[in-house]
Amino acid sequence: QVQLVESGGGVVQPGGSLRLSCAASGFTFSRYGMHWVRQAPGKGLEWVAFIRYDGSNKEYGDSVKGRFTISRDNSKNTVYLQMNSLRVEDAAVYHCVRDQGTYSAFDAFDHWGQGTLLTVSS
Amino acid sequence: IQMTQSPSTLSASVGDKVTITCRASLSPSSWLAWYQQKPGKAPKLLIYKASTLESGVPSRFSGSGSGTEFSLTISSLQPDDFAVYYCQQYNSYWTFGQGTKVEIK
Repeated sequence: QVQLVESGGGVVQPGGSLRLSCAASGFTFSRYGMHWVRQAPGKGLEWVAFIRYDGSNKEYGDSVKGRFTISRDNSKNTVYLQMNSLRVEDAAVYHCVRDQGTYSAFDAFDHWGQGTLLTVSS
Repeated sequence: IQMTQSPSTLSASVGDKVTITCRASLSPSSWLAWYQQKPGKAPKLLIYKASTLESGVPSRFSGSGSGTEFSLTISSLQPDDFAVYYCQQYNSYWTFGQGTKVEIK
């Protein structure tokens, strides 16, 4: 079955950096676009970043553009989120999410990881 | 595209028919999804392409709408349905509504 397991969350000071990882299994990873979606405590869902199935296209939400970088390694079935210049408002649970269809442009999200918690505090 | 859900909170009883509305600032065509999230859990896809039921989702859930107005209806609310529901457009990037909490009356 499809599994998405995030790791790398933790406590970081404002201005700091952190890299999240998401290990995927149970499907042909290289055929699917992948996303990061975050949820601040008690708040709603916010799309953060997308990477195309082959890594050739990346998109970012306005609030993270220029600070976060999404990447993937199809040989390791893993997607990453490098987060720099972190702000207090970046604190959230970060979910790794899969596109519903293969080789999609824009698609719904059919599988979600449980998430990893980022805390930004001095 | 901005997505606005109403109401923010809905109080209902088991067996009630409930409807949640989602309005888009621009039409996402039919590229509209609905998700259910329970406390401490990841969201779950219920409906995609505005009205298509995801595999395994009970038939009491249905989606409808077009243009800029969409709705999620639960025909007979069950105890397992008390949760937060989000709409999402995926026509132009990806945007979620702010969520609707369905709570026990």
